[in-house]
Amino acid sequence: AQKVTQAQTEISVVEKEDVTLDCVYETRDTTYYLFWYKQPPSGELVFLIRRNSFDEQNEISGRYSWNFQKSTSSFNFTITASQVVDSAVYFCALSVRGKSTFGDGTTLTVKP
Amino acid sequence: GAVVSQHPSWVICKSGTSVKIECRSLDFQATTMFWYRQFPKQSLMLMATSNEGSKATYEQGVEKDKFLINHASLTLSTLTVTSAHPEDSSFYICSARGSESVLGYTFGSGTRLTVV
Repeated sequence: AQKVTQAQTEISVVEKEDVTLDCVYETRDTTYYLFWYKQPPSGELVFLIRRNSFDEQNEISGRYSWNFQKSTSSFNFTITASQVVDSAVYFCALSVRGKSTFGDGTTLTVKP
Repeated sequence: GAVVSQHPSWVICKSGTSVKIECRSLDFQATTMFWYRQFPKQSLMLMATSNEGSKATYEQGVEKDKFLINHASLTLSTLTVTSAHPEDSSFYICSARGSESVLGYTFGSGTRLTVV
């Protein structure tokens, strides 16, 4: 069985602060994908990143960066210099053979 | 590439009526489609898995007679909420997996259903 844990239910930061969202996953499969999605108040699911289990290279995209560590089964997401528009619920998801298991989400509030 | 289109984006229906939600893969053949549901302020939960040309597999606790899933072609899957009730109001989202493993797991934009 697959499991995704996002231990942080809510995070509140002030604009321009850096913030890291934690994600820990469990699976016995050796082939899997990890995702991060953003869900703004409008409700749609915005794809941020997908990583496969064989690619541990960390990635940076603008203010976003991801740290994938198989040794600790973690796939953490960092927003640098946060902005008010980053306020949303962020979901980490694990997919095995296409079936996705989502974490409970972390609600990020960025205050001006 | 690997785009999934979901329609409608939102729908309001009267209690007792049925609502159909479509999920299309636009540029690849989706051998498998997944349907998820998200209640307000909760996470997404898998409802069912459908493979083209065969019956859907439902997760425990999901009523198959209430949530009819059809995956008649490699580019289209539909979810019909039958005899909808206010408690069915939710955000429904589909994802698709292509026949090539490299295509991975692409999500539609979701459908917000409100039953009044």
